[in-house]
Amino acid sequence: DAGITQSPRHKVTETGTPVTLRCHQTENHRYMYWYRQDPGHGLRLIHYSYGVKDTDKGEVSDGYSVSRSKTEDFLLTLESATSSQTSVYFCAISESVDTEAFFGQGTRLTVV
Amino acid sequence: GQSLEQPSEVTAVEGAIVQINCTYQTSGFYGLSWYQQHDGGAPTFLSYNALDGLEETGRFSSFLSRSDSYGYLLLQELQMKDSASYFCAVRDEQAGTALIFGKGTTLSVSS
Repeated sequence: DAGITQSPRHKVTETGTPVTLRCHQTENHRYMYWYRQDPGHGLRLIHYSYGVKDTDKGEVSDGYSVSRSKTEDFLLTLESATSSQTSVYFCAISESVDTEAFFGQGTRLTVV
Repeated sequence: GQSLEQPSEVTAVEGAIVQINCTYQTSGFYGLSWYQQHDGGAPTFLSYNALDGLEETGRFSSFLSRSDSYGYLLLQELQMKDSASYFCAVRDEQAGTALIFGKGTTLSVSS
């Protein structure tokens, strides 16, 4: 299995609080991605990274920011959590644009 | 922009053959991928087609027609454990190098 770890695996937080999710990889893959998964919507891209300090927005980036200061870590931050951000968040990595993506086990976030 | 269309649900019985179709629209095409996801689990890679034609991996095959912006995943000799969601995905120029996923097809296999 690809070495990719998400933390925390489960979190409950209150509306308006900041939240940071961490994705850690041991594969030295260049590309890292954050997706959210909601019923009826499949996997939607939030942000992605194509190298250290190189990130870009996906289709549902509003309310989220990311940082990648090291190859192995990709952080997703909700600056002020809202109930609409209750979701399952998946991190993924890939070595190149032509290779498969490996997914972490997901983080279930509930905003109350 | 990009869009992918696939059926939301498919049902079949053990031992049968099922085909899950995917049509896509992208601003630049880098290949069509398929992923499987069991309830509560992470998506896992099944196949990738960059060129037209059929790719076979055991009981699963994937087909691509770039001229028709169409592909399908074919599952043969269905087993109960194949009950899962199946996603087609493309890499699109507008999304940089990221995979863009369809909404998924839920396959239910009964005995």
